[in-house]
Amino acid sequence: DTGVSQNPRHKITKRGQNVTFRCDPISEHNRLYWYRQTLGQGPEFLTYFQNEAQLEKSRLLSDRFSAERPKGSFSTLEIQRTEQGDSAMYLCASSLASGLQETQYFGPGTRLLVL
Amino acid sequence: KQEVTQIPAALSVPEGENLVLNCSFTDSAIYNLQWFRQDPGKGLTSLLLIQSSQREQTSGRLNASLDKSSGRSTLYIAASQPGDSATYLCAGGHSGGGADGLTFGKGTHLIIQP
Repeated sequence: DTGVSQNPRHKITKRGQNVTFRCDPISEHNRLYWYRQTLGQGPEFLTYFQNEAQLEKSRLLSDRFSAERPKGSFSTLEIQRTEQGDSAMYLCASSLASGLQETQYFGPGTRLLVL
Repeated sequence: KQEVTQIPAALSVPEGENLVLNCSFTDSAIYNLQWFRQDPGKGLTSLLLIQSSQREQTSGRLNASLDKSSGRSTLYIAASQPGDSATYLCAGGHSGGGADGLTFGKGTHLIIQP
């Protein structure tokens, strides 16, 4: 257990529905990342927050994807109008900005299945 | 754009053997290099982080090296055990400001035979 938690752990939804995932980082960590991982691939970076500011979102897969971190603590990732191609594991990671020693700690992930 | 390649894609060895996993990257302006372990259906566990100014890091039976000039990193596992069976991922970090996240390889699926 890295200290990063994600909920729910599994989500099954029908195509066209909206889904929201939550990530609770390690409490003192100021950076939070979202990644997507499909079967047989490494995680793919989606977006990044430093405190409550979303500093990178151009890598979100489409405008159906959005993320928030309203108070600089937990974060949510929302997918609107889900498609079957959205089926994947969504991973959250957090870190404490410390220059070259920055280590990202990952949560257990939320596995999404879109029917 | 950074690309990370891991060789081999899969490896099966008897218990007790020493082994090397390879990782190569295309952009030598790498900030740090992190090795992770992933068990089936689970999240990632950080194993070692090597700063761009370092050549290697060690933790227990694991040793990771980094050669920026050749764009390569290796993970050495000594005296392998069945509990080491997992997928091992390497990832390059950039800029230090987090803006690019980590760029991952596809991983090496390792099986240690009892």
